[in-house]
Amino acid sequence: QLQLQESGPGLVKPSETLSLTCTVSGDSISSASYYWGWIRQPPGKGLEWIGSIYYGGSTYYNPSLKSRVTISVDTSKNQFSLKLGSVTAADTAVYYCASDSSISWYFYWGQGTLVTVSS
Amino acid sequence: EIVLTQSPGTLSLSPGERATLSCRASQSVSSSYLAWYQQKPGQAPRLLIYGASSRATGIPDRFSGSGSGTDFTLTISRLEPEDFAVYYCQQYGNSLTFGGGTKVEIK
Repeated sequence: QLQLQESGPGLVKPSETLSLTCTVSGDSISSASYYWGWIRQPPGKGLEWIGSIYYGGSTYYNPSLKSRVTISVDTSKNQFSLKLGSVTAADTAVYYCASDSSISWYFYWGQGTLVTVSS
Repeated sequence: EIVLTQSPGTLSLSPGERATLSCRASQSVSSSYLAWYQQKPGQAPRLLIYGASSRATGIPDRFSGSGSGTDFTLTISRLEPEDFAVYYCQQYGNSLTFGGGTKVEIK
C-alpha cells in the first residue's frame, strides 16, 4: 500500500521556480513499476494534470505546461519532485502527487499542499 | 487535447435517490482510458472507476460506470450521505485531462 506525502514552500514569488517533493513510503520508487505524477487544483476550481514520470525515467507532460515543467526521481531518497518555472499568480493551487501502475489514472494520492504565488 | 464536458454542473438529490452523471468527450476516448473520481472538501480525489466500468479497490457496488466513444456515465444507484461530493471524469489519450466536475448536493 503506497503512501505519498508532498512537501515544499507554501509561498513562491512571481517569476521564480516552484519546487515540490513527494516522499513515497510502502514500496521502493525504483523497484515498483509505477507512474509518479503531479496534479494541481486552483482554489475552488477543477483538476489539472501537470505530468508524470515512469520509474524507468520516461516523462510525460501537459502540453500547456511542458515548457516550464520538470519532473524527476531521486531513488536514494525514495522521492520524486516537481519544478515549475516562471510562476505567476495563475499557478496558485493545491498541488497533489499521485501514483498508479497505469499511466491512465491515479489510485494513490497525497493529501495535497497549497502553494501560493505572491510577492 | 481532448476536452471533457460534464453535466449537469450541479445535481440536487435526496439520500436514497439515483444519481446519473454525464461526461462527454470532444473526440472518441478509448474506454480503457476513462476514469471517474470523487472529491470531498479538503480531501484529495479518490479513484472510483477505471477503464470506464471497473470499480477501484474498496469502492461500493452502488457506483457503476458505463459508456464508450464520446459518451460516458457514472451512476450511483442509491445515494448514501457520504456520496455528496464533487465527481470528475478523466481521460488519457496523448495527454491526460479532467472534466470540470459535477457537484452532487443534498436537496
